[in-house]
Amino acid sequence: AQRVTQPEKLLSVFKGAPVELKCNYSYSGSPELFWYVQYSRQRLQLLLRHISRESIKGFTADLNKGETSFHLKKPFAQEEDSAMYYCALRAGSYQLTFGKGTKLSVIP
Amino acid sequence: DVKVTQSSRYLVKRTGEKVFLECVQDMDHENMFWYRQDPGLGLRLIYFSYDVKMKEKGDIPEGYSVSREKKERFSLILESASTNQTSMYLCASSQLPGTSGTSTDTQYFGPGTRLTVL
Repeated sequence: AQRVTQPEKLLSVFKGAPVELKCNYSYSGSPELFWYVQYSRQRLQLLLRHISRESIKGFTADLNKGETSFHLKKPFAQEEDSAMYYCALRAGSYQLTFGKGTKLSVIP
Repeated sequence: DVKVTQSSRYLVKRTGEKVFLECVQDMDHENMFWYRQDPGLGLRLIYFSYDVKMKEKGDIPEGYSVSREKKERFSLILESASTNQTSMYLCASSQLPGTSGTSTDTQYFGPGTRLTVL
């Protein structure tokens, strides 16, 4: 069965500092990986997906199959980045498996 | 713009009551999902449906059932609510993979229903 691990429940960084939210997965096939974000009092929404290889709001994530990781990175954190971040995996079906989430707090 | 709505933002029920949570999407999506979101546990899939009248168990279906009589509506039913079902419930919908012109992998979420069972 597939699994997604986000080792940090809470990550605090200062404004302007680099951010890295860790995500590791276990799945024997070719997964599709996503990052979802939930800002305060807003609904959960897609941030980015690995197949798009895009940068959204300054965030990027690279799928590393050798390390089975999909870490989310941003070079300079902003206060508006404070939110709950979930890594998710789709493994050949319609459903997603989510990690437990990391709360990012950007300190002004 | 995809819209997923849930019937209530807040709900308070008593132990043993039958509870209905309704979700409606307006994007003609085939797939619909029910999750519960708990601090420290993330999102856990309860049930999902890939077509009208079709349903599949997720990771934690015990104590829940679902109904999908129309494509746009997916209901979550707590047959006899218990205190350990106090949680935030999220509904989501997505398009079938392979459908052209859409972000087929994207799940669109509703605002959530915070259910408290006393």
